[in-house]
Amino acid sequence: DIQMTQSPSTLSASVGDRVTITCRASQTINKWLAWYQQKPGKAPKLLIYKASTLESGVPSRFSGSGSETEFTLTISSLQPDDFATYYCQQYDTYWTFGQGTKVEIK
Amino acid sequence: EVQLLESGGGLVQPGGSLRLSCAASEFTFSTYAMTWVRQAPGKGLEWVSAINSGGDTYYADSVKGRFTISRDNSKRTLYLQMNSLRAEDTAVYFCTKTPGIGLIEYSDYWGQGALVTVSS
Repeated sequence: DIQMTQSPSTLSASVGDRVTITCRASQTINKWLAWYQQKPGKAPKLLIYKASTLESGVPSRFSGSGSETEFTLTISSLQPDDFATYYCQQYDTYWTFGQGTKVEIK
Repeated sequence: EVQLLESGGGLVQPGGSLRLSCAASEFTFSTYAMTWVRQAPGKGLEWVSAINSGGDTYYADSVKGRFTISRDNSKRTLYLQMNSLRAEDTAVYFCTKTPGIGLIEYSDYWGQGALVTVSS
């Protein structure tokens, strides 16, 4: 089974900060990686797929990069609406989520 | 706008059964692969099961042999039959649509979730 490890687990940041979340796969997944945002009590929302393709309607301050086993999600300038938990998901071999990164207010 | 509406959640005793339904609208349901993803209280996301447009099914090891995914394209509905339920199956279950047809990829749309509580 492919394991996905996100870091950090929790991130404290301020509005306007540049934020980077890392996701590592236990084996190569090429670019078959998605990122989701989830707010408390809500369903996850797709942000990025195929490692770096922005889903329609998602603000351009979100970006994704990486390939093989190492991936990053970057928020270029954190906005109040961005405080949430973020998950990566590989879909190369079956489907596995990372454990999540909570972005909280500093 | 794509809509996915789960139903059938509730309280069930350990060893019991429950069937979740997910009513889909505003897209050609029969064309797309669908999945179930769950989230235990205060925990992260866990993929549970998937079915492609051709009816091929896939299961996480944690539910294999106990859960069955199916779809009724005429009713535009996805199902998850859950048998031999355990306390660790307690979670919110999300129905998701994928953009893939034969392939099952990421989830581009999610339902609001249905809470399943397994407790005596």
